[in-house]
Amino acid sequence: AQTVTQSQPEMSVQEAETVTLSCTYDTSESNYYLFWYKQPPSRQMILVIRQEAYKQQNATENRFSVNFQKAAKSFSLKISDSQLGDTAMYFCAFILPPYTGGFKTIFGAGTRLFVKA
Amino acid sequence: GAVVSQHPSWVICKSGTSVKIECRSLDFQATTMFWYRQFPKQSLMLMATSNEGSKATYEQGVEKDKFLINHASLTLSTLTVTSAHPEDSSFYICSARQGPPVQTSYEQYFGPGTRLTVT
Repeated sequence: AQTVTQSQPEMSVQEAETVTLSCTYDTSESNYYLFWYKQPPSRQMILVIRQEAYKQQNATENRFSVNFQKAAKSFSLKISDSQLGDTAMYFCAFILPPYTGGFKTIFGAGTRLFVKA
Repeated sequence: GAVVSQHPSWVICKSGTSVKIECRSLDFQATTMFWYRQFPKQSLMLMATSNEGSKATYEQGVEKDKFLINHASLTLSTLTVTSAHPEDSSFYICSARQGPPVQTSYEQYFGPGTRLTVT
């Protein structure tokens, strides 16, 4: 069974500093997709960044980047130059391609991030 | 693009009544839609997966007779909570995945959620 583990229930960071959120997952498949979603107080889920497992290059979206370590099954999110608007719950998520029979997205428990002024 | 709407955004109903929540993909065709339930400060719990034109697949422990899901078209799925009780009070979120020929990394697009309170 696929699982996603986020070991940090809460984190805080000073505005303009950098913070890294950790995520590990477990699967026996070699092809899959990983995501980080953000859920601000409005509770609207927002995609932050995605990574295809077959791509070795780490994904980057502006201030957000990932450190994807496939062998270690690790997928951490780095937020640079943290802004007050980054305060939210962050969920790491994993999905297998449909042809593997797995089509559901598996979410981690989430990490609540507070950005302090 | 890829916007998903939910209606209503919040609803209060009396115990024993039924309430319907709509989920619409506004600018794309969604062959697959998902319904989640989220308790305060917790992760999303998948309730069921619905494919257009077929019966929904419910996760273990989810009562299919209580949570009726209908995916009647490529842009609309509904969740009906039947005979609601206070323990059904929760935040319900739907999401949609684009169908062929466009499938962008199997990303899901989420609705804004519906807060259900059963009194």
